[in-house]
Amino acid sequence: EVQLVESGGGLVQPGRSLKLSCAASGFTFSNYYMAWVRQAPKKGLEWVATISTSGSRTYYPDSVKGRFTISRDNAKSSLYLQMNSLKSEDTATYYCARRGYNNPFDYWGQGVMVTVSS
Amino acid sequence: DVQMTQSPSYLAASPGESVSISCKASKSISNNLAWYQEKPGKANKLLIHSGSTLQSGTPSRFSGSGSGTDFTLTIRSLESEDFAVYYCQQYNEYPLTFGSGTKLEIK
Repeated sequence: EVQLVESGGGLVQPGRSLKLSCAASGFTFSNYYMAWVRQAPKKGLEWVATISTSGSRTYYPDSVKGRFTISRDNAKSSLYLQMNSLKSEDTATYYCARRGYNNPFDYWGQGVMVTVSS
Repeated sequence: DVQMTQSPSYLAASPGESVSISCKASKSISNNLAWYQEKPGKANKLLIHSGSTLQSGTPSRFSGSGSGTDFTLTIRSLESEDFAVYYCQQYNEYPLTFGSGTKLEIK
């Protein structure tokens, strides 16, 4: 059974940093692109980052480019999101997601909440 | 960026009825369109990919249609478990973008 479990969320002040983790199990992690998607309170879904199988390629929307860094450790079946220079608009539930071979996100975690506030 | 316009944002229906949700892309995305279901306390679920291909495990009462810029999710013979929020998403190009969601409630 595919499982994605996020951790590392919490309350952080504007301008500070936070690192999220996602522990994957139930599939060969190194064979799949992985991603982070977020959802602000009472809002819709927003794609945050994608990383290739080896980690050599990463993709971001303009809203987080230069502030967020996605990375992975295939030996540990883990995905990470380093978030720097956090802003109040980064407040959201962050989901780890697996990109399936057909390209959409075929498995999602339950999410971890990040609140950016002074 | 490809803007995804989803409608309606809210839909009320009764069990047994059929409903349709529209998703329009601001430019052609071929058939690179997915539909997801969001329910409280559960992980988001991929229902349909490639515009019309049911993901393994998706009940046959769900169907997707369309290509290019206009897509539709149809749910026939609604069951109680179908009342949820639905999102479309294009994966034709970066940045990946989602529709704003449709909340399907019991009438």
